[in-house]
Amino acid sequence: QKEVEQNSGPLSVPEGAIASLNCTYSDRVSQSFFWYRQYSGKSPELIMSIYSNGDKEDGRFTAQLNKASQYVSLLIRDSQPSDSATYLCAVNTRRLTGGGNKLTFGTGTQLKVEL
Amino acid sequence: DTGVSQDPRHKITKRGQNVTFRCDPISEHNRLYWYRQTLGQGPEFLTYFQNEAQLEKSRLLSDRFSAERPKGSFSTLEIQRTEQGDSAMYLCASSPPSGSNTEAFFGQGTRLTVV
Repeated sequence: QKEVEQNSGPLSVPEGAIASLNCTYSDRVSQSFFWYRQYSGKSPELIMSIYSNGDKEDGRFTAQLNKASQYVSLLIRDSQPSDSATYLCAVNTRRLTGGGNKLTFGTGTQLKVEL
Repeated sequence: DTGVSQDPRHKITKRGQNVTFRCDPISEHNRLYWYRQTLGQGPEFLTYFQNEAQLEKSRLLSDRFSAERPKGSFSTLEIQRTEQGDSAMYLCASSPPSGSNTEAFFGQGTRLTVV
C-alpha cells in the first residue's frame, strides 16, 4: 500500500462546477496535510494546509480532513480553466530531527476544467 | 522576489559528468529540503537541513549525491558521475523555524537531463 494515494485522473469538470479531489494516507500518526498545485513543467505551489479534523476554507478552496478515515480532500468551487493543473496531496509522514517535516507526496490528480 | 530561488533552471549534461545545483531559501527560513521529482510522480524527499546541519538523508541519496549548506543560508546539491537515471526535476523547499506544522515552499526547480 502506498503511503499517500490519489486517483491520477484526469478529472474533468465544466467551468463553474465544483471539483473534488481526494487523497488517502496510511500512517495514522500523520499530523500535517497539504495540497499543492503544479502546472505542467512548473514546481509545486502550496495552496492549502490543514492540521485538524473538519473543513478549512480559503477563497474558492476548501480542504477537508478526517483522521479517523485517514482521508483528506480538496474542493474547488466555481472551477476556472486556470485551475487546470495537477494537484498533489502531501502528508508529513515523519517529524525530522530539529522540527522539520518529511513530506510524502501522492502521485497527483490531473484536473481539467473545460469551457 | 523573496521566494525560494534555484539555479540553474535547466541543465543538460553528459553521462559521467558532475553537476551542482544551488538553492537560496526564503531569507527567514532556517529549514531547507531537497526533493526529486520524475515524470508522473510526486516529489520524493532527498535531504533536510536545519541551519547548516544536515539532519536527514534519504536512502535515495546515493554516495554520488552530496548536499551542503555551509553558512546556513544557500544550499548546494552535487551529483557526481551522473547517470541517465538521475534525469529529473530537483526541487528545493524551505520552511520557517517556528512551530511544528510548518508549510514548505518550493523553488522553481532545476530540471536535469543526462544524455
